[in-house]
Amino acid sequence: NAGVTQTPKFQVLKTGQSMTLQCAQDMNHEYMSWYRQDPGMGLRLIHYSVGAGITDQGEVPNGYNVSRSTTEDFPLRLLSAAPSQTSVYFCASRNRGRNTGELFFGEGSRLTVL
Amino acid sequence: GQQVMQIPQYQHVQEGEDFTTYCNSSTTLSNIQWYKQRPGGHPVFLIQLVKSGEVKKQKRLTFQFGEAKKNSSLHITATQTTDVGTYFCAGLGGSNTGKLIFGQGTTLQVKP
Repeated sequence: NAGVTQTPKFQVLKTGQSMTLQCAQDMNHEYMSWYRQDPGMGLRLIHYSVGAGITDQGEVPNGYNVSRSTTEDFPLRLLSAAPSQTSVYFCASRNRGRNTGELFFGEGSRLTVL
Repeated sequence: GQQVMQIPQYQHVQEGEDFTTYCNSSTTLSNIQWYKQRPGGHPVFLIQLVKSGEVKKQKRLTFQFGEAKKNSSLHITATQTTDVGTYFCAGLGGSNTGKLIFGQGTTLQVKP
């Protein structure tokens, strides 16, 4: 059971380039989310999804797009990377509902934008 | 929107001393969760609190949820070097979105 898998683990981009961070989970979780982690800022929610075909914005959605065509996958797209998007990105999933317990995190993707 | 504040940002303790981190939400929470992140790792779930005034213990860790369901705390008794890491609280709001908002985290350093 792989849990939450993120790729790539490391990526360096130039300003203006585009890329997609991949996230897949094999736990049949309805809820998936993307967070970014910056020093002193904690984990900030970028986008989340409560099921296939449904996505919504989190705290810091600007500059990022998401889609959820299947239950398993939740890719995060950067259309035109900026240095301010240099960060560690975590994908996480859990069962939907108010009291359904823990969020399972991937190992993270470290992105540097030059 | 919902905000979750966590203090202190950093804490350095001598091994054997106690440690507490506090979490406050701007809105009433449906539940609160706590996570630990080791240096270079990803956050790992510790516990979830649901009921007003709830207290849960895991060995040397004690978790509390406030009566108004707007604040929480994590207390570690007699810290060990294995407790090093960043501790996050995360609040689930009263809406039905399932959106989990994290505090800024408290980074604990333990001197042997």
